[in-house]
Amino acid sequence: SQELEQSPQSLIVQEGKNLTINCTSSKTLYGLYWYKQKYGEGLIFLMMLQKGGEEKSHEKITAKLDEKKQQSSLHITASQPSHAGIYLCGADITGQGAQKLVFGQGTRLTINP
Amino acid sequence: NAGVMQNPRHLVRRRGQEARLRCSPMKGHSHVYWYRQLPEEGLKFMVYLQKENIIDESGMPKERFSAEFPKEGPSILRIQQVVRGDSAAYFCASSPGTAIEAFFGQGTRLTVV
Repeated sequence: SQELEQSPQSLIVQEGKNLTINCTSSKTLYGLYWYKQKYGEGLIFLMMLQKGGEEKSHEKITAKLDEKKQQSSLHITASQPSHAGIYLCGADITGQGAQKLVFGQGTRLTINP
Repeated sequence: NAGVMQNPRHLVRRRGQEARLRCSPMKGHSHVYWYRQLPEEGLKFMVYLQKENIIDESGMPKERFSAEFPKEGPSILRIQQVVRGDSAAYFCASSPGTAIEAFFGQGTRLTVV
């Protein structure tokens, strides 16, 4: 079974709509990292969360970590074509920092004009 | 400041050949990590290296795979006698020390024919 579950696996939304991607762990998260990946390219770091209840925003993307530190959500407001790609959550479940992350399977986001 | 550089970007090998994947970390980074992304799967940790040392290789297959990070030059992930199942995207990440954040390269896409 997957240590980190992402949902949904794929998402198609109309441009301008809001959307949420979830990442759930069976273990306590020492750190939760959100990355974006475009096909054929590397991972672009978006945000990192460490504290229970923490919330961070960058432009139209907001990420939250729940109080129990087992679930994170990524919310995009007023989606744009540039938001299309694969969103990956990566988790530090050992307390070793970013050296050894466990990743979810990714959420493929398509934005329709 | 150049990011993490991986080469080649694409590599095609016949079954039984050797594959060598290179990773030059960001300037000033002494820690390197390799991850593998199999088709339709998430990234899986393979190995964590510091200069001239393997710190954690718990994700490396026991046979045919090896990694090094010499004092001078890039980190090398070497796969001997490749098989079709080795076809994947291999990502390298680097950090300056005990990492809160790791920066990823563009990846090398290995295809075994």
